[in-house]
Amino acid sequence: DGGITQSPKYLFRKEGQNVTLSCEQNLNHDAMYWYRQDPGQGLRLIYYSQIVNDFQKGDIAEGYSVSREKKESFPLTVTSAQKNPTAFYLCASKLTGNTEAFFGQGTRLTVV
Amino acid sequence: GQQVMQIPQYQHVQEGEDFTTYCNSSTTLSNIQWYKQRPGGHPVFLIQLVKSGEVKKQKRLTFQFGEAKKNSSLHITATQTTDVGTYFCAVDNYGQNFVFGPGTRLSVLP
Repeated sequence: DGGITQSPKYLFRKEGQNVTLSCEQNLNHDAMYWYRQDPGQGLRLIYYSQIVNDFQKGDIAEGYSVSREKKESFPLTVTSAQKNPTAFYLCASKLTGNTEAFFGQGTRLTVV
Repeated sequence: GQQVMQIPQYQHVQEGEDFTTYCNSSTTLSNIQWYKQRPGGHPVFLIQLVKSGEVKKQKRLTFQFGEAKKNSSLHITATQTTDVGTYFCAVDNYGQNFVFGPGTRLSVLP
């Protein structure tokens, strides 16, 4: 089946540790996005990539890093510099231009 | 970057009542999309509007794009408990970033 997959669904980490969230798509989409969602809140853009080996900061990029070495993959690293990393992280992909976005199931990260 | 606002933030309705959420921008939009996120789930695409004054319908849902392409609305007629969730508008900023409004959370009382 074609789609976008995030893993893991739930992730627990100790404070001060870096953690990497996976996002893979087999939809042949050029554009990929990472969003953060806090309880009862909207989606805030962390990073996005329109093409392989290129990515741009979103509104809340501090404390996060990404890579886009392959078209299918856009992993997000939550670094120890992120002050409040506990949140629901959503990855999305779409064709460039006015097209719909497809979301993964999300990863719930809890830092203790 | 492009920002959009949504009102209201929350809406509680009795089943069978109508519901409307509004999305507003200070600048002209190239297009606008609407998504629905069920509690605990991920956003799912509903529709895209591109033309000035465009109106589209999906069963009990009616979507409008303003004449000036700065605002949009989503109207649900005779809400059902299955309509519960958060409704987001989203803007593809001329092929650059892709930002979402803060959302309107709808609860439907049976």
